[in-house]
Amino acid sequence: KAGVTQTPRYLIKTRGQQVTLSCSPISGHRSVSWYQQTPGQGLQFLFEYFSETQRNKGNFPGRFSGRQFSNSRSEMNVSTLELGDSALYLCASSLRGNSYNEQFFGPGTRLTVL
Amino acid sequence: AQSVSQHNHHVILSEAASLELGCNYSYGGTVNLFWYVQYPGQHLQLLLKYFSGDPLVKGIKGFEAEFIKSKFSFNLRKPSVQWSDTAEYFCAVTGTASKLTFGTGTRLQVTL
Repeated sequence: KAGVTQTPRYLIKTRGQQVTLSCSPISGHRSVSWYQQTPGQGLQFLFEYFSETQRNKGNFPGRFSGRQFSNSRSEMNVSTLELGDSALYLCASSLRGNSYNEQFFGPGTRLTVL
Repeated sequence: AQSVSQHNHHVILSEAASLELGCNYSYGGTVNLFWYVQYPGQHLQLLLKYFSGDPLVKGIKGFEAEFIKSKFSFNLRKPSVQWSDTAEYFCAVTGTASKLTFGTGTRLQVTL
């Protein structure tokens, strides 16, 4: 079974631009979560989608948004990029998004904001 | 709000030494506990998890962890580490929602 895939793997943007990251979950998984990983803040939860609905949201500004499609694929968007948005963005999928379900992580998208 | 503390930020061990990484959590309700590992250049992957039942759980690659409710702890152990265990280890919890709250991670370096 193919794992979680994320595209692109690397991105370089400049301040003020916007960016869209994509995540394809494991086949059959309906829940997709996004996390931001930085050396200073560690791994922080951004949001979770289940059946095309955002179920949970972390403490990030409104510039961070996401969506999920009917095939469970998910995208996240960051508008008006800031230098501090440079990070590794991880996507994780799970079968039903229950609190005890294992989340399977993708390789991440490394975003650099100049 | 839930939080997780990992007190060891960087641990250096020789091969065959025993390992114990500390993890303490703060949460008012029932928790689910996880240890994830990130090998150099690889994805985060699950080592083991605890939901209920026997507080001593065994995971992959010889790792185990013990849930001590009274101490709000979920320490990771391995009797004898190998060079291939060099990685970053993250303790995480979920409460009623599936949102994972991670600790800051412990970088383990195993020397030959």
